[in-house]
Amino acid sequence: QEQLVESGGGVVQPGRSLRLSCAASRFTFSSSAMHWVRQAPGKGLEWVAVISNDGRNKYYADSVKGRFTISRDNSKNTMYLEMNSLRTEDTAVFYCAKSDSGGLRWYYYGMDVWGQGTTVTVSS
Amino acid sequence: QSVLTQPPSASGTPGQRVSISCSGSSSNIANNYVYWYQQLPGTAPKLLVYRNSQRPSGVPDRFSGSKSGTSASLAISGLRSEDEADYFCAAWDDSVSGWVFGGGTKVTVL
Repeated sequence: QEQLVESGGGVVQPGRSLRLSCAASRFTFSSSAMHWVRQAPGKGLEWVAVISNDGRNKYYADSVKGRFTISRDNSKNTMYLEMNSLRTEDTAVFYCAKSDSGGLRWYYYGMDVWGQGTTVTVSS
Repeated sequence: QSVLTQPPSASGTPGQRVSISCSGSSSNIANNYVYWYQQLPGTAPKLLVYRNSQRPSGVPDRFSGSKSGTSASLAISGLRSEDEADYFCAAWDDSVSGWVFGGGTKVTVL
């Protein structure tokens, strides 16, 4: 069964940085586009970013553009989310998710497999 | 304010059929695939329907998705107590070049 495990969450002060990791197993990681999605406490789901299978192409939500960077290391079956200039409104559970498919329009396939999430709390 | 609009709540008695709507626009639902997710309390979202109407293996056929124009819907037939959860729709949005989610619908089994 395909598996994703997030790590790296924690409590951080506003303005500081944090890097999340997502370790993938039991599927061909290098063939799949990957997403980050977050959920603030008591709120709905908010898409954060998506990265192509080869890591060359990325899209970001406007709310994180310029502050967050998505990346991946296919040799390690791991995806990352580097978060800078964190704000209190970034407090959320962050999920990584595998894309449903790849291909020409790789970005427009949704999330099929999700990790269990890692909690990020931005507070002074 | 979510780009995709869902009713905040829906309910039914065991065995009933419940339908959840997801309203969007030409930049998202009309021209792209719609996905539906179920989130049980305290757990990660789970894929329920992909590419408008496809069910992953393991998802009961009580769950079905459909799409017409700028709207999509998820139907749950033969409602069961374990279906109590939050349900979210999602689609790629060409105008923002990103994914958009509905605000979620909380389903209660009476």
